[in-house]
Amino acid sequence: DTEVTQTPKHLVMGMTNKKSLKCEQHMGHRAMYWYKQKAKKPPELMFVYSYEKLSINESVPSRFSPECPNSSLLNLHLHALQPEDSALYLCASSQSPQGPEDNEQFFGPGTRLTVL
Amino acid sequence: GQNIDQPTEMTATEGAIVQINCTYQTSGFNGLFWYQQHAGEAPTFLSYNVLDGLEEKGRFSSFLSRSKGYSYLLLKELQMKDSASYLCAVRDGRLIFGSGTRLLVRP
Repeated sequence: DTEVTQTPKHLVMGMTNKKSLKCEQHMGHRAMYWYKQKAKKPPELMFVYSYEKLSINESVPSRFSPECPNSSLLNLHLHALQPEDSALYLCASSQSPQGPEDNEQFFGPGTRLTVL
Repeated sequence: GQNIDQPTEMTATEGAIVQINCTYQTSGFNGLFWYQQHAGEAPTFLSYNVLDGLEEKGRFSSFLSRSKGYSYLLLKELQMKDSASYLCAVRDGRLIFGSGTRLLVRP
């Protein structure tokens, strides 16, 4: 199994809703990432989990709350989002966050989020 | 500061060769990646360079010069399906992406 899966593929939510994005990988990777990507822009790093601990938070607003229940799962909890948060949310994983063995990040297909 | 520059758009003809350049200035360096991204899809890994020189993988090659802060991605025998965005990314503790180059392959 060499893929990262994400659910749901599409999500439409209101500004008062609470929803969660899910990401899963079974490659034994110990680093997992959340990125946000707006149209025609590169992915922007949001969070990095290293060995199930949050290691990087790129000053992301608290309305985004990551969670890593175990080494295979990564969630992103959403609450009170704004319309400008509409974007493609990408999850990625890599063997480890540093070191020569971490040659590449594998990306999931993303969740396209629309906030009304 | 961190700065990664790529051309915004390029156009090439099916069957031709195209070179996409990337220059970078980062506080650290632990490898340079090229990703391909079709519209609405996730980035997919193309190549990785950490030492100077050329890495070849089928129709794709990537070159790195660390002293010049420069890399290029070379695509040969272009196909229509190669129309996509190509992202240069530098690992400096984390992966920093350039803005991407949108490549349009014409018949």
